[in-house]
Amino acid sequence: EPEVTQTPSHQVTQMGQEVILRCVPISNHLYFYWYRQILGQKVEFLVSFYNNEISEKSEIFDDQFSVERPDGSNFTLKIRSTKLEDSAMYFCASNRGTKNIQYFGAGTRLSVL
Amino acid sequence: AQSVTQPDIHITVSEGASLELRCNYSYGATPYLFWYVQSPGQGLQLLLKYFSGDTLVQGIKGFEAEFKRSQSSFNLRKPSVHWSDAAEYFCAVAMDSNYQLIWGAGTKLIIKP
Repeated sequence: EPEVTQTPSHQVTQMGQEVILRCVPISNHLYFYWYRQILGQKVEFLVSFYNNEISEKSEIFDDQFSVERPDGSNFTLKIRSTKLEDSAMYFCASNRGTKNIQYFGAGTRLSVL
Repeated sequence: AQSVTQPDIHITVSEGASLELRCNYSYGATPYLFWYVQSPGQGLQLLLKYFSGDTLVQGIKGFEAEFKRSQSSFNLRKPSVHWSDAAEYFCAVAMDSNYQLIWGAGTKLIIKP
């Protein structure tokens, strides 16, 4: 069964460093998403991406964040200068269309020290 | 603003007992409704969804959920839980317009032997 894969599973970084979280969506999917879950809190929507551009973003997704689909398979989330409060589990998801089920990866746990 | 409430942070049930996890949403129209499960170290797996039609929906692993418009609820049920059902369960809703998922805080299910 096809699945969304995320790497790495755990990323530790120093405050102020740039990180790139990687996702490989399901191959025939067209819409891609990033969510995050701070420990003990709700899962929060960050951004959706379609046709090589952002279609929706939340207030969380400020100028420190960016997304990219650098090739035909990867979908990345970059945080330019990490802050302590960026520590969270980051989930990637994809689907074939906006009214289809989103399939999630296992997540990347980001720890900012 | 749209919101999802899962009033129970933790629920403990005995193996073989029945289960009901509560979910209420706040939204003007009927949203798309989902239940996801997250086992430790795993991603978010879809259990079931409601888009329209029959208000009682069946999902994987023996779960079902009932949409009650009058109560703005979408409670998850299982007649007999198994130890492998121990996990965190998330209710989520999506709006028709942009399909970003809005999440409840999750309910952690603990199974007593």
